[in-house]
Amino acid sequence: NAGVTQTPKFRVLKTGQSMTLLCAQDMNHEYMYWYRQDPGMGLRLIHYSVGEGTTAKGEVPDGYNVSRLKKQNFLLGLESAAPSQTSVYFCASSYRGDEQFFGPGTRLTVL
Amino acid sequence: GENVEQHPSTLSVQEGDSAVIKCTYSDSASNYFPWYKQELGKRPQLIIDIRSNVGEKKDQRIAVTLNKTAKHFSLHITETQPEDSAVYFCAASGSGGYQKVTFGTGTKLQVIP
Repeated sequence: NAGVTQTPKFRVLKTGQSMTLLCAQDMNHEYMYWYRQDPGMGLRLIHYSVGEGTTAKGEVPDGYNVSRLKKQNFLLGLESAAPSQTSVYFCASSYRGDEQFFGPGTRLTVL
Repeated sequence: GENVEQHPSTLSVQEGDSAVIKCTYSDSASNYFPWYKQELGKRPQLIIDIRSNVGEKKDQRIAVTLNKTAKHFSLHITETQPEDSAVYFCAASGSGGYQKVTFGTGTKLQVIP
């Protein structure tokens, strides 16, 4: 079992560029989450999904979109990247919605 | 929504001493309180959690206590070891159910050998 994987591990974007972060899990989990982690701010929820085909907004959804077309994948999109989106992005999944299993993270820099 | 405050932001202890991290939450409907540990450069991992029908839970050197009346919960680590050095995050579920939690801002624990 690979658990939760994230692609890519690192990325540098210019302001205004777009990109998609991919999260995949092989544990048949219903719940999936996208967080961003900034120094001193903890983990802040961007969007989450409680099942295939569903998505919902978290604390900081502005500037991001998500899709969950397949149960095992959760995609995070940035349509027009801004320097304020420089962060480490973590994906997580959960079977029942309690213990969350995190991916290794994606370090994104927006210049 | 839920608001979780965590203190202290940094904590240094001598090896073998105890460490205590405290969190408060705002939403009285919260019923699930997990704690995650994140080592440097690694992903967060759940170390212990507690539900609102329990006041205390222990797992070897780690314990969590919950006071629902005061809306605060704490992580206690006894006989600290250098491998306990990490950032610890508390979280609370809020009124939306335990499938979505709000995290505190983290405590960086340093255990000095």
